[in-house]
Amino acid sequence: EVQLLESGGGLVQPGGSLRLSCAASGFTFSSYAMSWVRQAPGKGLEWVSAIRGSGGGTYYADSVKGRFTISRDNSKNTLYLQMNSLRAEDTAVYYCAKTITVTTWGAFDIWGQGTMVTVSS
Amino acid sequence: QLVLTQSPSASASLGASVKLTCTLSSGHSSYAIAWHQQQPDKGPRYLMKLNSDGSHSKGDGIPDRFSGSSSGAERYLTISSLQSEDEADYYCQTWGTGILVVFGGGTKLTVL
Repeated sequence: EVQLLESGGGLVQPGGSLRLSCAASGFTFSSYAMSWVRQAPGKGLEWVSAIRGSGGGTYYADSVKGRFTISRDNSKNTLYLQMNSLRAEDTAVYYCAKTITVTTWGAFDIWGQGTMVTVSS
Repeated sequence: QLVLTQSPSASASLGASVKLTCTLSSGHSSYAIAWHQQQPDKGPRYLMKLNSDGSHSKGDGIPDRFSGSSSGAERYLTISSLQSEDEADYYCQTWGTGILVVFGGGTKLTVL
């Protein structure tokens, strides 16, 4: 079964850091670009960051550029999101998502269940 | 800048059909999109990829009740024989070099 399982969310103070993980199974992880997408409480979906299958290219939304770092360990079938200098507006459920094709950009065909990040003092 | 526009809400009766719309901003009418469903308190689920010519490919296990079509800059998701579990938020998504990834604001579907 193709599956994505996020972990690492929690409560963090403004200015703090957190690292999210996404464990993948059921497909050849290294072949596919992966993304992080977030959803603030009561709001819509917002793309955050993407990384190529090889890890050779990374991309960020302007709202997180310079603060968040996406990475992957293809030997562990795991995607990461390092979040630094966190702000209240980063409070959201964070989902990892798999791109449907082996190219960098495409539809997201597999989603995780999400992990909640709350930034508050 | 590419923007996807969706109506905030829609409603239809149990057993009826409903057509949701996602509109691509000017100059982007050739883009493909994807439709995703998000049931209450759940993560999104991929429904289908929809091309500008109306051809579409659905995700695994998506019922035949869900179909897609296109006209110009508009992309449609039609759900027939509405069931209670279809009550959800529906998002369109597009992508590409330069635009990266864009989501529409979502449509909340209420099944009456």
